Amino acid sequence: GAGVSQSPSNKVTEKGKDVELRCDPISGHTALYWYRQSLGQGLEFLIYFQGNSAPDKSGLPSDRFSAERTGGSVSTLTIQRTQQEDSAVYLCASSSRAGSIKDEQFFGPGTRLTVL
Amino acid sequence: AQSVSQHNHHVILSEAASLELGCNYSYGGTVNLFWYVQYPGQHLQLLLKYFSGDPLVKGIKGFEAEFIKSKFSFNLRKPSVQWSDTAEYFCAVTSFNDYKLSFGAGTTVTVRA
Repeated sequence: GAGVSQSPSNKVTEKGKDVELRCDPISGHTALYWYRQSLGQGLEFLIYFQGNSAPDKSGLPSDRFSAERTGGSVSTLTIQRTQQEDSAVYLCASSSRAGSIKDEQFFGPGTRLTVL
Repeated sequence: AQSVSQHNHHVILSEAASLELGCNYSYGGTVNLFWYVQYPGQHLQLLLKYFSGDPLVKGIKGFEAEFIKSKFSFNLRKPSVQWSDTAEYFCAVTSFNDYKLSFGAGTTVTVRA
């Protein structure tokens, strides 16, 4: 079946604008994760969804960042009033069971965000 | 929170050479350990993982990793690399029963034919 997909693949925006990043997880996967990879750094955890709820938002760097998930499937990560330090690759992953590290997280191709 | 250190930023080697990538983590409790690989133009994918049991773990494509608890290390090895092993390699850790992966900064491996 299809893997995790993300759109857009690249996004260039101006400082202060809002952006939306989309993730389509593998069909049937209940857990969904967002990570961010800034230049020269490892991936950092942003938020985790179990179904449509987000029990762990601890990684969101500021209140400009929010995410939602609808229908237990598609997720959108929104960044308001983007700043240059938001420039990064945003990765989405899904796994079959919610909250279990025993299940492999499958990653999407990422969205490269550039804030000018 | 855990932190993960990967000692080498960029490794360049010739085909048939042996590869060892270092990974150290800082967490005193029980951990789960992973190596992920990202080939050029492809998604991040799992190479191997360790939860418990035999500390020598074998993964795909001839890779293996050894968990040394006393050294807080989980080094990745391959006895003879191929040009197709050119990729970026990431070590990742979670504490027991946690789902949040903490990643190292990655090591870029370039294999010259």
